[in-house]
Amino acid sequence: EDQVTQSPEALRLQEGESSSLNCSYTVSGLRGLFWYRQDPGKGPEFLFTLYSAGEEKEKERLKATLTKKESFLHITAPKPEDSATYLCAVRRNNAGNMLTFGGGTRLMVKP
Amino acid sequence: DAGVTQSPTHLIKTRGQHVTLRCSPISGHKSVSWYQQVLGQGPQFIFQYYEKEERGRGNFPDRFSARQFPNYSSELNVNALLLGDSALYLCASSHRGDYAYEQYFGPGTRLTVT
Repeated sequence: EDQVTQSPEALRLQEGESSSLNCSYTVSGLRGLFWYRQDPGKGPEFLFTLYSAGEEKEKERLKATLTKKESFLHITAPKPEDSATYLCAVRRNNAGNMLTFGGGTRLMVKP
Repeated sequence: DAGVTQSPTHLIKTRGQHVTLRCSPISGHKSVSWYQQVLGQGPQFIFQYYEKEERGRGNFPDRFSARQFPNYSSELNVNALLLGDSALYLCASSHRGDYAYEQYFGPGTRLTVT
């Protein structure tokens, strides 16, 4: 059974204080690891898809990396508007587009 | 271009009732997936439809059913509602039926069962 565990559950940062969110996964035949951002009461917003160990993707202050067992979402010099829940999900082989999500990390950035 | 749209935005139902939720995918997308997100948790996969065929089903009871129409819009139906069905129901669309690089979510329908 696919499993995705995100840590920490919640993270409070000061504006400009860089940090990393962790996503550990167990999946048979990984066919993509996804990162989403979700604001309260809204649908998840797509950020990145990573396919193979060693791959990296960047977008503004966010950088996602992937190893064979985990993924990291690095946030450089965060701003208050980066406050949100960040979700990690995996898709396995022969499962269509089905995603298995972790519980998310709630990020709060204080000015 | 419009993103994924869902209706209604909010819904309040009583235990035992039936509910129908609707989703319109991004123009040109042929795959629709449904997810249930309970407060404080990550979304959980319910169904995927591609080209009007069921492509996948998650671990949900038979009270949950769905279908996709020729215009690729989709409905999720839930019968005999339970209090535990209270959640945010999300629809995601993608161009491909499998291994889609991107899946885009709608704003969700907030269902409250009393």
